[in-house]
Order: sequence, then structure tokens, then C-alpha cells
Amino acid sequence: NAGVTQTPKFQVLKTGQSMTLQCAQDMNHNSMYWYRQDPGMGLRLIYYSASEGTTDKGEVPNGYNVSRLNKREFSLRLESAAPSQTSVYFCASKRHTGTASGGYEQYFGPGTRLTVT
Amino acid sequence: TQLLEQSPQFLSIQEGENLTVYCNSSSVFSSLQWYRQEPGEGPVLLVTVVTGGEVKKLKRLTFQFGDARKDSSLHITAAQPGDTGLYLCAGPNFGNEKLTFGTGTRLTIIP
Repeated sequence: NAGVTQTPKFQVLKTGQSMTLQCAQDMNHNSMYWYRQDPGMGLRLIYYSASEGTTDKGEVPNGYNVSRLNKREFSLRLESAAPSQTSVYFCASKRHTGTASGGYEQYFGPGTRLTVT
Repeated sequence: TQLLEQSPQFLSIQEGENLTVYCNSSSVFSSLQWYRQEPGEGPVLLVTVVTGGEVKKLKRLTFQFGDARKDSSLHITAAQPGDTGLYLCAGPNFGNEKLTFGTGTRLTIIP
């Protein structure tokens, strides 16, 4: 059981280049998320997908697009990378639990470290 | 969007000491979660507190949810080097569909 996997682990881009970050989960979760993590700013939500076929903007969606390819896979695309997009990107999926335990648990991938020069 | 503020931002203490880190908001949350993140890895869920005033223990870690459900604390007893990491609190908004994360407390335990 691999949980949440992300590729690539590291990437260096030049300004204006494009790339797609891949994410897959094997836990049969409906909801999936993309976050970015920057020093002193915690985790900020970029996009999320509550179910296969739906996507919604999060807190910082500008400059990104997403695709929920199927229940397992949720990709994040940078069409024209900018230095401000240098960050660590995390994909996560959510499991619904009983009310007594809060109703949900999020599971995170290992992250993609992206540098845009 | 509901905000979560964590303090202190950085904490470095000697092995064996006790410590408390805080997560505060001006908004009421239906629950709060605590995650620990080690270098080069994603956050891992430690606990979810649901009821105002609730206290949960995980070995040497004690988590408390404020009576008004606006704040939470994490107390570590006899800290060990393995406790080193970034501690994040998080709370749900828009039902349970999205999480708001605090800025984190980076904890270093010195052997």
C-alpha cells in the first residue's frame, strides 16, 4: 500500500517553461488536494477535487491548472513557470472517518521541490 | 477564511525538557488537527480534537482543545531528539472539505 505518491521529487525550471506534477493515491479516497509550502507561510491550498470529475480553486490558484484524471490521479500543471512559484508542492487525499474522530483525515505525499530560475 | 496562528514560530530546547506550543484563532472550529512534518517528507496526522475542553494523550504528547473551540495546545513531556520537526495545526472550513493550516512551530530538540 503506497499511500500518496508524487513525481518528480525535484525539478528545476527556467522562467516560462511548463511542467506537470503528478499525484496518485491507492486508498480509494474521493477528495484530493494540491498545496504549496513556503517558509513562514504554512501550507496553502492551490486546488482541490472533492470527487472524480470536479475541481475547485483554493487560496492561491493563479498560475496553475489541475486535472482529476480518474479517482486515483490528480495532476497540477504550471503553464508558464515564474520564480514566485518556487516552492515545495504537496498532494494529499482525504479519508472520511466517524464524527467522534473529527470526520476526516488527510494523507500527504512526500512532496515535489520545484525551483524556477 | 479562518486563520490559525501558531506560537512560537521556532523553539530549540535541550533533551529532557518540557515544552508547550500553541495554536490560536479568532474563529470557532468544529475540530482541530495536529500534524508533524519531518525534513523532506509530507505532514503526518498526529491527532484530531473534536470536543471543547477535550484532552488527548499520545505517549509523551498531550493535546488540548480550548473550551470555546478557538484554540489548541500541544505539550511535550521530556522531549527527545525524535520529537524534532515542524508541528502544524489545521482546522476545517467549508464543512470538512478544506483545511486551513497554521504557519507552524519548528521544534529542535538538542541531545
